Amino acid sequence: TQLLEQSPQFLSIQEGENLTVYCNSSSVFSSLQWYRQEPGEGPVLLVTVVTGGEVKKLKRLTFQFGDARKDSSLHITAAQPGDTGLYLCAGPTSGTYKYIFGTGTRLKVLA
Amino acid sequence: ETGVTQTPRHLVMGMTNKKSLKCEQHLGHNAMYWYKQSAKKPLELMFVYNFKEQTENNSVPSRFSPECPNSSHLFLHLHTLQPEDSALYLCASSRTDGQNTGELFFGEGSRLTVL
Repeated sequence: TQLLEQSPQFLSIQEGENLTVYCNSSSVFSSLQWYRQEPGEGPVLLVTVVTGGEVKKLKRLTFQFGDARKDSSLHITAAQPGDTGLYLCAGPTSGTYKYIFGTGTRLKVLA
Repeated sequence: ETGVTQTPRHLVMGMTNKKSLKCEQHLGHNAMYWYKQSAKKPLELMFVYNFKEQTENNSVPSRFSPECPNSSHLFLHLHTLQPEDSALYLCASSRTDGQNTGELFFGEGSRLTVL
């Protein structure tokens, strides 16, 4: 069974600090996605990483896919209160349209 | 207008009621999904439909009954639910070009409370 474990589970930081969120699995994924979910809303896609070792940047967010395609990280530089939310990684399981989600990291950025 | 619309946004029902959740996608996608999001648990995949055919039933109790009349509409019929079924029910859609492509686009969810 493919599983995605995220760490940390909760993170509370001050505005302007940097942080990294991790998504790990013992299984290989063809791609991984990162989503952000705000209270009362559905998750919204931030990025998809496909190639092992790939790095993608979205403004102050940097996403990396591990060389072996078993893990990914999300780094936020100079966090802002608007970054507050639940961050989820997700990936498709082999041979199906079934997307599994990680355990989530709940981030709170204090002004 | 968002790409995936869910109604109702909030629903309170008794254990003997029958209700339905509705999802509509305007993105031209061919796959639709129901996920359950409970507190302190990862998003749980419930059902997957691809071109109106159910391709995944993730051991969901029969008190949840999905219906997909076409690629744009998805329903979740609810009957004799239990209080532990209270959760946020999220609908999503995606493209499926080949086997594992297409990011998920979610609706805003239907918050269900079972009394």
